[in-house]
Amino acid sequence: AQSVAQPEDQVNVAEGNPLTVKCTYSVSGNPYLFWYVQYPNRGLQFLLKYITGDNLVKGSYGFEAEFNKSQTSFHLKKPSALVSDSALYFCAVRDIRDSWGKLQFGAGTQVVVTP
Amino acid sequence: SAVISQKPSRDICQRGTSLTIQCQVDSQVTMMFWYRQQPGQSLTLIATANQGSEATYESGFVIDKFPISRPNLTFSTLTVSNMSPEDSSIYLCSVEVADSNEKLFFGSGTQLSVL
Repeated sequence: AQSVAQPEDQVNVAEGNPLTVKCTYSVSGNPYLFWYVQYPNRGLQFLLKYITGDNLVKGSYGFEAEFNKSQTSFHLKKPSALVSDSALYFCAVRDIRDSWGKLQFGAGTQVVVTP
Repeated sequence: SAVISQKPSRDICQRGTSLTIQCQVDSQVTMMFWYRQQPGQSLTLIATANQGSEATYESGFVIDKFPISRPNLTFSTLTVSNMSPEDSSIYLCSVEVADSNEKLFFGSGTQLSVL
């Protein structure tokens, strides 16, 4: 069975500094990987995904993530964080045998960006 | 893409009662999914709801507790039956749009508190 680990409960960063949110995964076969963001009282918003192709994936709001097969990681990055990036971030993985709706989510990482 | 309307957005219920959550999509979709997000925790898939067939429940979830209806391609309901405080969670409807970039779209969720 697939699984996702987000080792940090919270990441604190000053506005303007680089932001990294870590994610590692375990899946049999090739993974489909996703990042979502959740703002208070809102549903999940899609940021980006990796299915195949370039290991560096660019997504919404200036975020990008790098797929590293040898380290089984898919860390989310943003070169310069904004206060408005403060939210809860989820990494998710899908087994290729499942449908797109059957995602295994990580525990989430709370990002706090201070002015 | 898909726009999902989920009702109610929040509710406070008494122990032993039931609540039905509605999910309306602005386009016809084959696969709909219901997720639960317990306080401070990640998202867990409850069940997959396909039109014209019984919902498929994930391990740990049963139809008697979480009956699901899927009467057509744009609508689904999830009922939380005989509620206890442990059912206090955010319940999220999601839909699969396989030919989109995002693949999976989420409603804004229903915040349920059980007293």
